[in-house]
Amino acid sequence: NAGVTQTPKFQVLKTGQSMTLQCAQDMNHNSMYWYRQDPGMGLRLIYYSASEGTTDKGEVPNGYNVSRLNKREFSLRLESAAPSQTSVYFCASSEGPKHFGDGTRLSIL
Amino acid sequence: AQSVTQLDSQVPVFEEAPVELRCNYSSSVSVYLFWYVQYPNQGLQLLLKYLSGSTLVKGINGFEAEFNKSQTSFHLRKPSVHISDTAEYFCAVSVNYIPTFGRGTSLIVHP
Repeated sequence: NAGVTQTPKFQVLKTGQSMTLQCAQDMNHNSMYWYRQDPGMGLRLIYYSASEGTTDKGEVPNGYNVSRLNKREFSLRLESAAPSQTSVYFCASSEGPKHFGDGTRLSIL
Repeated sequence: AQSVTQLDSQVPVFEEAPVELRCNYSSSVSVYLFWYVQYPNQGLQLLLKYLSGSTLVKGINGFEAEFNKSQTSFHLRKPSVHISDTAEYFCAVSVNYIPTFGRGTSLIVHP
């Protein structure tokens, strides 16, 4: 997907470890989003950012923190990973949203 | 709060047949409506969107959708599907640019 880049693509963590998922977009969009996708659940919004410097909670924010350091980048942090956070995480940008990254597949053992 | 219901979790269809994927929503305010497609191991791709105006919306890959306010529906249609249309399809309703997604419909196209 052109324009929204997520890193890493895959990650395995142990319970209690922390990590940051990175997302960057080069389309000069104000809005950015973090979703998690679980089988049969569709996409659920974790956090979103309407503009640089602002963030708001979505449907499932517990256990996560975000940072919108600049217009391009919107990171998602798991402070103490739990098995329930095993999921595929998608970053997206622009109102809609219109553009999605390819996802980060995260497994927590 | 808004909600989205995709009425079918799986839709099998033969190649070159027409298909309709159903989506109903509920909201107390005006909404924007979207359909996305997700191919295996990829992110979502926007197929089409309804913001205002004509209730029949045409999107990419030959798909179209019709907004029906009285029935609170936004069904996705294609007159003739191809094998390559096999994918997961998501309907979403957006209020103030914050979308809520349905649980998805798996379209399976058989030769």
